[in-house]
Amino acid sequence: DGGITQSPKYLFRKEGQNVTLSCEQNLNHDAMYWYRQDPGQGLRLIYYSQIVNDFQKGDIAEGYSVSREKKESFPLTVTSAQKNPTAFYLCASIGPTNEKLFFGSGTQLSVL
Amino acid sequence: GQQLNQSPQSMFIQEGEDVSMNCTSSSIFNTWLWYKQDPGEGPVLLIALYKAGELTSNGRLTAQFGITRKDSFLNISASIPSDVGIYFCAGRVGGYNKLIFGAGTRLAVHP
Repeated sequence: DGGITQSPKYLFRKEGQNVTLSCEQNLNHDAMYWYRQDPGQGLRLIYYSQIVNDFQKGDIAEGYSVSREKKESFPLTVTSAQKNPTAFYLCASIGPTNEKLFFGSGTQLSVL
Repeated sequence: GQQLNQSPQSMFIQEGEDVSMNCTSSSIFNTWLWYKQDPGEGPVLLIALYKAGELTSNGRLTAQFGITRKDSFLNISASIPSDVGIYFCAGRVGGYNKLIFGAGTRLAVHP
């Protein structure tokens, strides 16, 4: 089945710890995105990558980092600099001829 | 910055009723997308609109791209319990890094 796979589904972070959220897609899509979702708010863009080895900051990139070493993978690291990391994180992708953005099933990050 | 105002914030309706929600902005968009999100899951695309005035249906769902390109609405006819969830609009101008999301409409359907 083609799709976007996010893991883990639930993740807990201790104070001062970096954690990495995985996002893998087998859709052969070029562009990938990370969004943050807080209750009662719309999705906010953290980082995006339009091609391998290239990525750009979104609206709320502080405290986060990404890499894009492979087309299929776009991991997001939530660093200790992110003081309010509790949120639902969504990965998405879009192909070159497709006008539609597709989402993974999300990772809920909570702070211990 | 660009903002989308989505309303209503929440709705509680009886099964079988029709539902209408909308998004407005002071900015012009060239694409409108409507998504539905179930609890703990990622949003699923329902309808995509690409031209001003476009009216598109997907089963019991109908969405329109406003003539001014600053608004869009989504209607759900004859609601059923599985329509429960959060509905998001999203407007795009330029690349998908420019996609702006509304805050969502939370729909509850009473059997």
